[in-house]
Amino acid sequence: ETGVTQSPTHLIKTRGQQVTLRCSSQSGHNTVSWYQQALGQGPQFIFQYYREEENGRGNFPPRFSGLQFPNYSSELNVNALELDDSALYLCASSRIPRMPTGNTIYFGEGSWLTVV
Amino acid sequence: AQKVTQAQTEISVVEKEDVTLDCVYETRDTTYYLFWYKQPPSGELVFLIRRNSFDEQNEISGRYSWNFQKSTSSFNFTITASQVVDSAVYFCALTGANSKLTFGKGITLSVRP
Repeated sequence: ETGVTQSPTHLIKTRGQQVTLRCSSQSGHNTVSWYQQALGQGPQFIFQYYREEENGRGNFPPRFSGLQFPNYSSELNVNALELDDSALYLCASSRIPRMPTGNTIYFGEGSWLTVV
Repeated sequence: AQKVTQAQTEISVVEKEDVTLDCVYETRDTTYYLFWYKQPPSGELVFLIRRNSFDEQNEISGRYSWNFQKSTSSFNFTITASQVVDSAVYFCALTGANSKLTFGKGITLSVRP
């Protein structure tokens, strides 16, 4: 148990629709990152949130957006869904956005998104 | 830019065999952090180990051991006396100070009874 929870676990959407995925970070963790993992690939960094602000973004278009709330939970929103957005979306939390000794990154179980 | 290479894509062993999963990384950061995660079919990434670049001590945890060599930019993972429950996809990952991970493509390990 990592304490990082994600919902929903599975969902199917139609191309062009919008989706919202949710993540609750581990207690005491104020940094949330989102990753996309296509089938047979390693996870790819989408963006990170710290203190309710975006704190870095990977190579993803603006239709991927996010939010972080005062309780450090987070949402990932994807607009205008494309077939290639079908993937496992993973949320990761860490105590702070920096990496001193002792800071470890924990992942949730992910949300499997299928776009048809 | 950071890069992680896991050249092995699939490994199949018989239970009780030892197996080593290779990881080679590239980074320009002087301080960096290496991770191994295990991903069972359910999808969750299970944290196994974090290693800091300034600590080259190897580590052993039960049947698991890790060999970190800065000279060859490698962080290899060995499972001793493998078990069927070790079957999963294993990812090596790297980050600098900003906790944004760069992953390899993963190694699918199958342990046969």
